[in-house]
Amino acid sequence: EVQLVESGGGLVKPGGSLRLSCAASGFTFSTYSMNWVRQAPGRGLEWVSSITSSSGYIYYADSVKGRFTISRDNAKNSLYLQMNSLRAEDTAVYYCARVTYYYDFWGQGTMVTVSS
Amino acid sequence: QSALTQPRSVSGSPGQSVTISCTGTSSDVGGYNYVSWYQQHPGKAPKLMIYDVSKRPSGVPDRFSGSKSGNTASLTISGLQAEDESDYYCCSYAGSYTWVFGGGTKLTVL
Repeated sequence: EVQLVESGGGLVKPGGSLRLSCAASGFTFSTYSMNWVRQAPGRGLEWVSSITSSSGYIYYADSVKGRFTISRDNAKNSLYLQMNSLRAEDTAVYYCARVTYYYDFWGQGTMVTVSS
Repeated sequence: QSALTQPRSVSGSPGQSVTISCTGTSSDVGGYNYVSWYQQHPGKAPKLMIYDVSKRPSGVPDRFSGSKSGNTASLTISGLQAEDESDYYCCSYAGSYTWVFGGGTKLTVL
């Protein structure tokens, strides 16, 4: 059974940093691209970042470019999102998701709240 | 990276059909046959309902169907059931390992 479990969310002050993790199991993690997708409270889904299976290609939404860094450790079956210079508008549930050209499996999400 | 355009809400009675539209551009919806649709109940993770414009994953009822014409994709739910009441999001691949979502549509079953 495919499982994606996010962790690392919490309350952080504007300008602060957080590192999200996503532990994957039930599939060959190293052969899939992975994405982070977020959802602000009461709002829609927003693609945040993508990373290919061997980390050869990495892309970011304009809203987070230069502040967020996606990475993965295939030996640990884990995906990460380092978030720096956090802003109030980054407040959201962050989901990791397995992707081909569509998202077939999602984690349960981890909440990030940026507030003073 | 502009969001795809969906109606904010649609509604229908049990047994009826509803269609949710999703309008993008030639750089996303119109440029690729990689439109997908997700159902999201409150407080839950999204669930894949349609992929590659019109394909259904195993376990998704055949009441759900997808199509595309030009820069607009559509999700049709026939034989509406109470449990279909949810938020629905379209998503399109936009090239270079980037994706764009629609703003979401709230489906109410009357």
